[in-house]
Amino acid sequence: DAKTTQPTSMDCAEGRAANLPCNHSTISGNEYVYWYRQIHSQGPQYIIHGLKNNETNEMASLIITEDRKSSTLILPHATLRDTAVYYCIVSSESGGSNYKLTFGKGTLLTVNP
Amino acid sequence: GAVVSQHPSWVICKSGTSVKIECRSLDFQATTMFWYRQFPKQSLMLMATSNEGSKATYEQGVEKDKFLINHASLTLSTLTVTSAHPEDSSFYICSANLGLAGAREQFFGPGTRLTVL
Repeated sequence: DAKTTQPTSMDCAEGRAANLPCNHSTISGNEYVYWYRQIHSQGPQYIIHGLKNNETNEMASLIITEDRKSSTLILPHATLRDTAVYYCIVSSESGGSNYKLTFGKGTLLTVNP
Repeated sequence: GAVVSQHPSWVICKSGTSVKIECRSLDFQATTMFWYRQFPKQSLMLMATSNEGSKATYEQGVEKDKFLINHASLTLSTLTVTSAHPEDSSFYICSANLGLAGAREQFFGPGTRLTVL
């Protein structure tokens, strides 16, 4: 799987939008961009994924650049409960329905009151 | 989203004993489940891919005889840490995906914290 680069940490004010960047310059054509988050001492939580079009769901928006070498996860109105480590992962199908995920170090987002 | 459970949520055991951790998909069938390990202040590391009805596929560096994986049904995978030692103390997390075409997201269990004394 292609590697990703994320900032180690970011701060955001409660109620403001949190924009988390991710570089994946070696992504290949069949690889998707996934975002997960992990709140302390819990299992990771799926947020969103995309291939090349921007995506939006009830949790967040995912903006992927046209060359697909980077993306941004947007939490439109961050709350204190959004404080977590956010992981950007690129992955492709590896046989059947096995989507293998390789976690990097992620970005620790701290939402401040 | 789909729900994955783990049991127990935490366990403390003596060095040399074996510990079994269960991972269940509660509202869907999972032909494939994944087992991860996470040490304090580190990221998740994939240990193995658990395939229903067949042998697990282990990542490089993971001892298959120490970490026994059984995936006997479409809703249950178990990880047994055999002859556990203090260095095996870690947060063990399982995940599964729906296994449907186009359903790519993995759903994670809440994790099991293992402490070996």
